[in-house]
Amino acid sequence: KAGVTQTPRYLIKTRGQQVTLSCSPISGHRSVSWYQQTPGQGLQFLFEYFSETQRNKGNFPGRFSGRQFSNSRSEMNVSTLELGDSALYLCASSPTSASREQYFGPGTRLTVT
Amino acid sequence: DQQVKQNSPSLSVQEGRISILNCDYTNSMFDYFLWYKKYPAEGPTFLISISSIKDKNEDGRFTVFLNKSAKHLSLHIVPSQPGDSAVYFCAALTGTASKLTFGTGTRLQVTL
Repeated sequence: KAGVTQTPRYLIKTRGQQVTLSCSPISGHRSVSWYQQTPGQGLQFLFEYFSETQRNKGNFPGRFSGRQFSNSRSEMNVSTLELGDSALYLCASSPTSASREQYFGPGTRLTVT
Repeated sequence: DQQVKQNSPSLSVQEGRISILNCDYTNSMFDYFLWYKKYPAEGPTFLISISSIKDKNEDGRFTVFLNKSAKHLSLHIVPSQPGDSAVYFCAALTGTASKLTFGTGTRLQVTL
């Protein structure tokens, strides 16, 4: 099976812009979670989607949003980018929302200038 | 509030020896624990997990030990190989929630 894929892999944006990142889960996986990794805060949970519904949300401002499509692919959007949003954004998938193990994609490296 | 802590930011071990990576947690609601390995510019790779009803789980060279009373878990890698050099994260889950709470990571270097 192909693993989790994320596009784009690298992105440079300017403060104030908005960005959309995409994640395709492992075939058959229906749960997709997003995480942010920064040197200062480590790996932090953003949100989880299952069956096109957001099931869990982390402690991030409303500028961070996401959605999931009927084919389980997911997108996350960050509006009004700030310098502090520069990070590695990781997507993880699992078969169901109750599955314990999550499998990560390679991430999208976002740089905000 | 760091609920999952990895107090050793780095560890150096000789090839063939045992690597022991430690993790402490504070939230007694955590009931499932996982270890991930991460190389630079890649996403974390799942290694091994353990439920809170067990105290040991083994998979090949990797063994995870859980001490619930001490709120402590450890990952043993025997024998260590140069390809094991990476950053290791422990993570925890609560109930049916899918939110992984990660530690800060330990960079393992396996030397020849």
